[in-house]
Amino acid sequence: GENVEQHPSTLSVQEGDSAVIKCTYSDSASNYFPWYKQELGKRPQLIIDIRSNVGEKKDQRIAVTLNKTAKHFSLHITETQPEDSAVYFCAASRRFGNEKLTFGTGTRLTIIP
Amino acid sequence: DVKVTQSSRYLVKRTGEKVFLECVQDMDHENMFWYRQDPGLGLRLIYFSYDVKMKEKGDIPEGYSVSREKKERFSLILESASTNQTSMYLCASLAAAGNTIYFGEGSWLTVV
Repeated sequence: GENVEQHPSTLSVQEGDSAVIKCTYSDSASNYFPWYKQELGKRPQLIIDIRSNVGEKKDQRIAVTLNKTAKHFSLHITETQPEDSAVYFCAASRRFGNEKLTFGTGTRLTIIP
Repeated sequence: DVKVTQSSRYLVKRTGEKVFLECVQDMDHENMFWYRQDPGLGLRLIYFSYDVKMKEKGDIPEGYSVSREKKERFSLILESASTNQTSMYLCASLAAAGNTIYFGEGSWLTVV
């Protein structure tokens, strides 16, 4: 089955700086890679996703890059703000077919004011 | 707005008790999932269902069972709760042609 590794497990960044979280996956058939943000005590929520036919996707201060050859993808947050503090999870799945999402172990991001 | 509702937010159960965790979604989604979330381990899939009365094992099904008698409801059952099942349980749903998995608020289960 799919295995997703995520690094780092914790990350502290000065407000205004950039944060990068990296994930690798094992199943070369995976073609859908979402990122979820989970604030303290709340449910995980989708913040951005990318399909395997695209190398990069951007939404305001958030971007995701995908390297299919190396089987890794990354989340980039620029101009970080205190409200970016949360736990971030990457995930991978084969869409559409096996709908099972395999998650990484999470990164606790802390923005230092 | 999709709503995934987990009826119990916080539960304390004794070892050996049978535990039911209920999840209801209101968007007619075909797929439903149960995950457990533990520090340092991320979200791990217990069971999922892609249709009424259909179920498939996830990565950690041992000690759990599920029931999907109606499309909108997916129940997780701990036949005999054990302390290592103390965790936060997340239900989620996904449309067959959709992209986004929607999560419930989570159920915190403590087994003593």
